[in-house]
Amino acid sequence: AQSVAQPEDQVNVAEGNPLTVKCTYSVSGNPYLFWYVQYPNRGLQFLLKYITGDNLVKGSYGFEAEFNKSQTSFHLKKPSALVSDSALYFCAVSRGSYIPTFGRGTSLIVHP
Amino acid sequence: GAGVSQSPRYKVAKRGQDVALRCDPISGHVSLFWYQQALGQGPEFLTYFQNEAQLDKSGLPSDRFFAERPEGSVSTLKIQRTQQEDSAVYLCASSLEGAGNTIYFGEGSWLTVV
Repeated sequence: AQSVAQPEDQVNVAEGNPLTVKCTYSVSGNPYLFWYVQYPNRGLQFLLKYITGDNLVKGSYGFEAEFNKSQTSFHLKKPSALVSDSALYFCAVSRGSYIPTFGRGTSLIVHP
Repeated sequence: GAGVSQSPRYKVAKRGQDVALRCDPISGHVSLFWYQQALGQGPEFLTYFQNEAQLDKSGLPSDRFFAERPEGSVSTLKIQRTQQEDSAVYLCASSLEGAGNTIYFGEGSWLTVV
C-alpha cells in the first residue's frame, strides 16, 4: 500500500520569506512524487513531479521540491513567498499501480 | 480539448435522486481517474480506466456508484439514490498511458445532496 502524510494542516509565512510545505511518503520501491495546488472552488493544478534523476526538482511559479530517499520526504519549497501563493497544497505518490494517492493537504497562508 | 472538462460544475440533488456527472478528458489521454474530495480533505480515489476498460474500481464507496467510459473517451460517473454523505466534489483527471505520467484535473463537479 502507498500513503502520503502532510503533517501540517496549515503553514503561515510572511510575504518575501522562504516557505516549506512538508510531505513524507510510504511506497514499495522507487516512488513517483507529485505536488499540486488548489485554489478556492477550483480543481487541482500540477506544480512539479519527481520520477528519477536530480533530487531537486523545479516546477511552476518558482516552486521546487527536494526528494530525500533516506527520509522518505518530498518537501515543497519556495525562496520568496507571495500573497498569491496562498492556497491548498497536496502531495501525491504513485508507483506500480499508476494511481496516485494524495495527502490531506496543507493550507498555505502568506501574510502581506 | 485543451484541458479536462467536467459538467455540471454544480449540482443540487434531493436525497434519493439519481445524478450523472460527465468528464471529457484531454484528447489522446488513455488513462482516466475519478476522485472524491470531501470538504477540507484530500482527493480520495474512486475508479480508474485505461481506454474503455475499468481496471480498478476499488474506491467506489457502494454499489450505488457506477462509472463507465464506453468509447474510451468521455466518462460518466453515476450515483443512484443519492444520500447526504455523497455531498462532495467529484474530480476527474486524465493522463497519458504509463506510471509516472502527470495526471491533469478538471475543475470538478460540486454535488450537494439535500
